[in-house]
Amino acid sequence: SAVISQKPSRDICQRGTSLTIQCQVDSQVTMMFWYRQQPGQSLTLIATANQGSEATYESGFVIDKFPISRPNLTFSTLTVSNMSPEDSSIYLCSVGRGGNEQFFGPGTRLTVL
Amino acid sequence: GNSVTQMEGPVTLSEEAFLTINCTYTATGYPSLFWYVQYPGEGLQLLLKATKADDKGSNKGFEATYRKETTSFHLEKGSVQVSDSAVYFCARTPGSSGSARQLTFGSGTQLTVLP
Repeated sequence: SAVISQKPSRDICQRGTSLTIQCQVDSQVTMMFWYRQQPGQSLTLIATANQGSEATYESGFVIDKFPISRPNLTFSTLTVSNMSPEDSSIYLCSVGRGGNEQFFGPGTRLTVL
Repeated sequence: GNSVTQMEGPVTLSEEAFLTINCTYTATGYPSLFWYVQYPGEGLQLLLKATKADDKGSNKGFEATYRKETTSFHLEKGSVQVSDSAVYFCARTPGSSGSARQLTFGSGTQLTVLP
């Protein structure tokens, strides 16, 4: 497995502001992903964070709303831009290593007022 | 399309009862299948996995068998404990198309075990 940390663990933000979430892994990994888990719901993949190139976004998610950085093989950030209450969710990063399984960070619980 | 369908919850059981949470999937090719668990206030943890037909994943008394003929991966445990109370997610990789690492998750099943 991998040790994955996220910062912040939770935040309460005002409408219209932006929040950047950090994901740090204890060793180099090729694949990093960002997911959203809306209240009481399952996980939805936002994008794959690619090292050295632009992230690959899933249908319904765009770079202007969720810009992602991946400066090296152990770190990524997700920004939630121009937030609205509908963005209130848990945001999770995950990494792929070895087999097809993914290992998840503890998540960032975001509340937008 | 590619999807994962999970038994709807919530599920409430008494301690030492038998647990089954159904999961079926659609996918092209041969996906890998997973069960993840999310304890209250925590992130997701990989519980078990199976990567090919007839494989049985097991961990912490939980088991699931990859059934290609019924496209199922039902989670079972013979005797649940209060500490098993959590949300359980079934997930799969695409199979033959898309990134092998992209996971599709089921809707999650909330399990509550009463003492």
